[in-house]
Amino acid sequence: KAGVTQTPRYLIKTRGQQVTLSCSPISGHRSVSWYQQTPGQGLQFLFEYFSETQRNKGNFPGRFSGRQFSNSRSEMNVSTLELGDSALYLCASSLSRTSSDEQYFGPGTRLTVT
Amino acid sequence: AQSVTQPDIHITVSEGASLELRCNYSYGATPYLFWYVQSPGQGLQLLLKYFSGDTLVQGIKGFEAEFKRSQSSFNLRKPSVHWSDAAEYFCAVSISNFGNEKLTFGTGTRLTIIP
Repeated sequence: KAGVTQTPRYLIKTRGQQVTLSCSPISGHRSVSWYQQTPGQGLQFLFEYFSETQRNKGNFPGRFSGRQFSNSRSEMNVSTLELGDSALYLCASSLSRTSSDEQYFGPGTRLTVT
Repeated sequence: AQSVTQPDIHITVSEGASLELRCNYSYGATPYLFWYVQSPGQGLQLLLKYFSGDTLVQGIKGFEAEFKRSQSSFNLRKPSVHWSDAAEYFCAVSISNFGNEKLTFGTGTRLTIIP
């Protein structure tokens, strides 16, 4: 069974631009969560999608948004990029929304904002 | 809100030596507890998890963790480390089903193995 895939793996953008990251969950998994990882703040929860609906949201500004498609693939978008948005963005999928379900993480997308 | 503390930012051990990584959580009830490992350039891999029952949990790659309610701790151990264990280790908690955050992570402990 293929794991969680994220594209692109690396991205360089300029301040003020916007970016879209993609995540394909493990086949059959319906919950997709996004996390931001930075040296200063560590791993922080961004949001969770299930059945094409955002179910939970972390403490991030509205510039961060996402969506989920009917095949459970998910995208996250960051508008008006700031230098502080440089981070590793990790996507995780799980079978359902229960906390006991194991989350499987993708390799991440490394975003650099210049 | 729940929080997770990993007091050791960086630990260095010799290959073959034993290892213990510390994790403390702050929450009124018993949360779901996890340990993840992240190798350079990689995502996170689940080592083990605790939900209830036996407080000593066995995981992959020879790791185990012990839940101690009285100390609000969930320390990760390995009897003999291998060079391939060099990575960053994260303790994480989830407070309930359908919680506001899927996982709250500690700040991580970077493990270096010396020959």
